[in-house]
Amino acid sequence: AQSVTQLGSHVSVSEGALVLLRCNYSSSVPPYLFWYVQYPNQGLQLLLKYTSAATLVKGINGFEAEFKKSETSFHLTKPSAHMSDAAEYFCAVSDSGGATNKLIFGTGTLLAVQP
Amino acid sequence: DTGVSQDPRHKITKRGQNVTFRCDPISEHNRLYWYRQTLGQGPEFLTYFQNEAQLEKSRLLSDRFSAERPKGSFSTLEIQRTEQGDSAMYLCGIGGYTFGSGTRLTVV
Repeated sequence: AQSVTQLGSHVSVSEGALVLLRCNYSSSVPPYLFWYVQYPNQGLQLLLKYTSAATLVKGINGFEAEFKKSETSFHLTKPSAHMSDAAEYFCAVSDSGGATNKLIFGTGTLLAVQP
Repeated sequence: DTGVSQDPRHKITKRGQNVTFRCDPISEHNRLYWYRQTLGQGPEFLTYFQNEAQLEKSRLLSDRFSAERPKGSFSTLEIQRTEQGDSAMYLCGIGGYTFGSGTRLTVV
């Protein structure tokens, strides 16, 4: 069965600083991996996805993530944080080995950006 | 525009009442999912449709919950005899990874 672990439920950075949000996955089959952002009382917006092509995935709003099979990681980064990046971020793995391709989410990381 | 419309955005109901939510994909998608997100948690899978067929239901989906997708287009999720523990955001997803804005349910 697939699962994801997001290390750090709260991360705080200064505006302009590097953003690093950590995600480790467990999967018995080659995974599909996703990062989503959620603003208060909003739905999930897809930032980027890995579907077994390039291991470095570029997404929207300057975010990127690197799939590292040896470390079972898919950490999200952004070189320079903006105030508008303050939100909750979820890592997810797809049940690509099953029939439904449902997503299994981590518990989320709340990103605060200090001025 | 997320490609998925959910209605209503917010619903407040009294305990014991029935509620129904609707999910409308803007374009045709054969796969449609419902997830539930409680405060401070990640979304959890509830159920999945392939066209009009409901192919998988989570154990989270008690017998008070029912979902339909007539004609393989829009979908409805009904909760009967609501309980305070049903308070959550209900998210509809299409195609595997695109989500609507969700319906926030508060049971008082």
